[in-house]
Amino acid sequence: GENVEQHPSTLSVQEGDSAVIKCTYSDSASNYFPWYKQELGKRPQLIIDIRSNVGEKKDQRIAVTLNKTAKHFSLHITETQPEDSAVYFCAASRGGGSNYKLTFGKGTLLTVNP
Amino acid sequence: DTAVSQTPKYLVTQMGNDKSIKCEQNLGHDTMYWYKQDSKKFLKIMFSYNNKELIINETVPNRFSPKSPDKAHLNLHINSLELGDSAVYFCASSPGWGGGSADTQYFGPGTRLTVL
Repeated sequence: GENVEQHPSTLSVQEGDSAVIKCTYSDSASNYFPWYKQELGKRPQLIIDIRSNVGEKKDQRIAVTLNKTAKHFSLHITETQPEDSAVYFCAASRGGGSNYKLTFGKGTLLTVNP
Repeated sequence: DTAVSQTPKYLVTQMGNDKSIKCEQNLGHDTMYWYKQDSKKFLKIMFSYNNKELIINETVPNRFSPKSPDKAHLNLHINSLELGDSAVYFCASSPGWGGGSADTQYFGPGTRLTVL
């Protein structure tokens, strides 16, 4: 089955700096890669996702890059703000509907210091 | 306008008891899921249902029994609770159709289960 490794497990940055979280996956058939943000005591919320036919996707201060050959994808947050502090999870799936499960990385605790 | 809701939010119970958690989604999605998040925050899928049919059943003790009375509801019943069952249980749903958006999962608020 799929295995998703996520690094680092904790990341501390100063407000305004950039943050990068990296994930690798094992199943070459995976083609859907979402990122979730989970604030303390809250539900995971989708912040951005990417499919294997795309190499990069941006949404304001957040971007995700995908390297299918190397089987890794990364989340980039620019101009970090204290409200970006949360646990971030990457995930991978074969996609295509209900038959395929999301396999999550173990999470990265991001702390943005004011 | 809650999309995915769960009850109860907190559940404290003794070892050996039986308890249920309920989940409802009003998004018109076909697929629903149960996840367990342990104390180290690791999110692991337990079950998924598509249109009331069990699709995914990970290696979960058979003390856990999901039930889907209709495609908008997915409940989780746990028999003979053990200390190791203490965790946050999240329900989620996804369209299951619609091409690119089929896989997008929306999570409920979670149920924190504490077994004493």
